[in-house]
Amino acid sequence: AIQLTQSPSSLSASVGDRVTITCRASQGISSALAWYQQKPGKAPKLLIYDASSLESGVPSRFSGSGSGTDFTLTISSLQPEDFATYYCQQFNSYPRSFGQGTKLEIK
Amino acid sequence: EVQLVESGGGLVQPGGSLRLSCAASGFTFSSYSMNWVRQAPGKGLEWVSYISSSSSTIYYADSVKGRFTISRDNAKNSLYLQMNSLRAEDTAVYYCAREGVITIFGVVKNWFDPWGQGTLVTVSS
Repeated sequence: AIQLTQSPSSLSASVGDRVTITCRASQGISSALAWYQQKPGKAPKLLIYDASSLESGVPSRFSGSGSGTDFTLTISSLQPEDFATYYCQQFNSYPRSFGQGTKLEIK
Repeated sequence: EVQLVESGGGLVQPGGSLRLSCAASGFTFSSYSMNWVRQAPGKGLEWVSYISSSSSTIYYADSVKGRFTISRDNAKNSLYLQMNSLRAEDTAVYYCAREGVITIFGVVKNWFDPWGQGTLVTVSS
């Protein structure tokens, strides 16, 4: 099974900051990676698929990059509504594993 | 509006059974593969099971294999998860999620969207 390791596990940042979250796969997965945002008590929301394709309706301050084993999610200028937990997920093989999550908190 | 609504969660004793349902609306259910994902209290997301649009292909996480059964009824626009021999570690919010897919230059791209609101399963005596 492919393991996904996100770093950091938690992050404190301020409105307007640029933040980057990393997801590393235990083996190459090409670009078969998605990113989700989850707020407390809510279902996850798709942000990015195919490592770098922005889902329709998602603000352009979100971007994804990477291929193979190393991926990043970048938020160019944090907004108050962006404080949440972020997960990566691989679609290279089953089981469809998720990273452990990165909690983004207000500094 | 594309919508998924789970139901069937609740409190069950260890060793018991429960059947979750996911009602789909706003899209052609029979054209999409579907998944169940769970989240234990305060923990991360764990993929549980996959079923293809025609039910011809099914996958399970090792943690539920042999105990859970995924199924669907395309005529009723519904997805199900039959959970048997439940354990305390199965306590979680269970989400159903539609699997989106496109093919670009012969390469398949996948994602989960949308997700339902989740239904809580608590396994406790």
